Order: sequence, then C-alpha cells, then structure tokens
Amino acid sequence: KAGVTQTPRYLIKTRGQQVTLSCSPISGHRSVSWYQQTPGQGLQFLFEYFSETQRNKGNFPGRFSGRQFSNSRSEMNVSTLELGDSALYLCASSLGASGRYEQFFGPGTRLTVL
Amino acid sequence: AQSVTQPDIHITVSEGASLELRCNYSYGATPYLFWYVQSPGQGLQLLLKYFSGDTLVQGIKGFEAEFKRSQSSFNLRKPSVHWSDAAEYFCAVGNFQTGANNLFFGTGTRLTVIP
Repeated sequence: KAGVTQTPRYLIKTRGQQVTLSCSPISGHRSVSWYQQTPGQGLQFLFEYFSETQRNKGNFPGRFSGRQFSNSRSEMNVSTLELGDSALYLCASSLGASGRYEQFFGPGTRLTVL
Repeated sequence: AQSVTQPDIHITVSEGASLELRCNYSYGATPYLFWYVQSPGQGLQLLLKYFSGDTLVQGIKGFEAEFKRSQSSFNLRKPSVHWSDAAEYFCAVGNFQTGANNLFFGTGTRLTVIP
C-alpha cells in the first residue's frame, strides 16, 4: 500500500507570494493533519481535516488555510508568505479521527521563503 | 495545557551500548503517548504508543518505553543500539479531548551512534 504522498517536495518562494501544498493520504484514510516543523519552534500542529471538514486548528494566523476534497486529498495554502514561514510542512493521515488511530506521516514539503 | 519535555537535545552512544531517551509530559487527563523517529529528509515513523494497560510497551526496531504516571514520564529504551538508529527522536502526547486528533511534540533528541 502506498504511503502518504506530499507534493512538491521542495519549494522556493519570495516574501509576499502565496503557496499551495498538496497531500495524498493512504488509500482509505479519511483524516488528514498538517504540521509545521522549524528548528526554533519544533513540530507544531496546523489543522486537521476529516470528511472534508476542518475539525481542529492550531494557533496559526489566518494566512494559513487548508481544505480537504471528497477523495480525502488535502491542500494547505499560505498567503502573503513571510520569512518565518520557511519550514518543513508535514502531512499525516489516519483511518479515523479518533486518537487511537495511528497517524502516518509523509516525507514533507520543504518550503524556503526568500 | 499539554506539553512535552525532552531534556536531552543531543545524545551520543557507542554502537552496541544501551540507550535511554527521556520524555516528560504535562496533561490533564490520562495521556496517549507516542514516540516517533525521523531520519534526515524523512517524515516521522511511529516507534510505539501507550494508551492504557501494561505500562511497558514494545515497539518496532527493538525499542520499548515505560509509562510512569507518578513521574509523568515516558522514557524510550533500547538494550543495544545499532548504527542505523542514528536519527532524531520525538516524544508526543495526543490531544484527544473534545474529539480533537492532534499531537503535541517535544523538541526532539538527536541520537548519534559512534562505531
């Protein structure tokens, strides 16, 4: 079974631009979560989607948004990029929304903002 | 509020030696606890998890962890480290109250294995 896929793997943008990252969960998984990983702040939860609905959101500004499609694929968007948005963005999928389901992580998208 | 502390930023061990990575958590209810490993350029892989029951849990790759409620700890152990274990290790607590499904991570411990 294929794992979680994230595209693109690497991305370079400039300040003020916007970016869209994509995540394809494991087949059959309906929950997708996004995390931001930086050297200074570590791993921080962005948001979680289940059955196309955002169920939970972390403490990030409104510039960060996401959505989930009917096939469970998810996208996250960051508008008006800032230098501090440079990070590894990780997507995780799980069968269900309960915490008892293991979350499987993708390899991440490395975003660099210049 | 939930939080996870990994007091050791970097640990170096010799191949074949035993390993213990420390993790302390703060959580208002019975915690769901996890250990993940991240190799360079990779995502996170689940090593083991604790939800309830036996406080000593076994994971993949020969790892185990012990939940100690009195110490709010969930330390990861391995009796004999292999060079391939060199990676970054993250302890996490699940925020599953009120139907949420996200993890709070510690800052990680980088493990270096010397021959």
